[in-house]
Amino acid sequence: KQEVTQIPAALSVPEGENLVLNCSFTDSAIYNLQWFRQDPGKGLTSLLLIQSSQREQTSGRLNASLDKSSGRSTLYIAASQPGDSATYLCAALRGAQKLVFGQGTRLTINP
Amino acid sequence: ETGVTQTPRHLVMGMTNKKSLKCEQHLGHNAMYWYKQSAKKPLELMFVYNFKEQTENNSVPSRFSPECPNSSHLFLHLHTLQPEDSALYLCASSQDLGATNEKLFFGSGTQLSVL
Repeated sequence: KQEVTQIPAALSVPEGENLVLNCSFTDSAIYNLQWFRQDPGKGLTSLLLIQSSQREQTSGRLNASLDKSSGRSTLYIAASQPGDSATYLCAALRGAQKLVFGQGTRLTINP
Repeated sequence: ETGVTQTPRHLVMGMTNKKSLKCEQHLGHNAMYWYKQSAKKPLELMFVYNFKEQTENNSVPSRFSPECPNSSHLFLHLHTLQPEDSALYLCASSQDLGATNEKLFFGSGTQLSVL
């Protein structure tokens, strides 16, 4: 059974810092690894999707990496801004749209 | 506007009530999903529909009854719920099932409180 873990559960950093969010999964037989953003009381917004054959994906200030052999993915946020404050969730796809989610990291960027 | 609209945004109901959640997607997708997000727990997949046919029921209690009349609309009928069913219910859609590069598009959710 696939389990996805995100550590830390919460993170608070000053504006302008670069930061890394961590995601680990127990079963390396995944099709892809996805990162989402969720604002309070809202739905999820897809940020990045890394196929199992890929090592990383980039979008603007965001960079996500995938290491299947170690069961880890990281989301790197460069030059953080207060608008980046949200909960970030990772999810591993193990079958036809059978996404297994982590519990998320609640990120606060302090001005 | 995300292309996936859920109504109502908030719902308070008693344990003996019957209510329905509605989801509509304007993206031309063929697959639709219901997820449950409880406090302190990861998102849980409840149901999956592809071309109006249910393809996944993740051991959801029968007090939750989904309905998908067409590829654009998805309902979740609620009956005799329990307080532990209080959660954020999220609808999502994707172009198809099975592709490994499919992204999901989520609605804003219905925050349900069962008293």
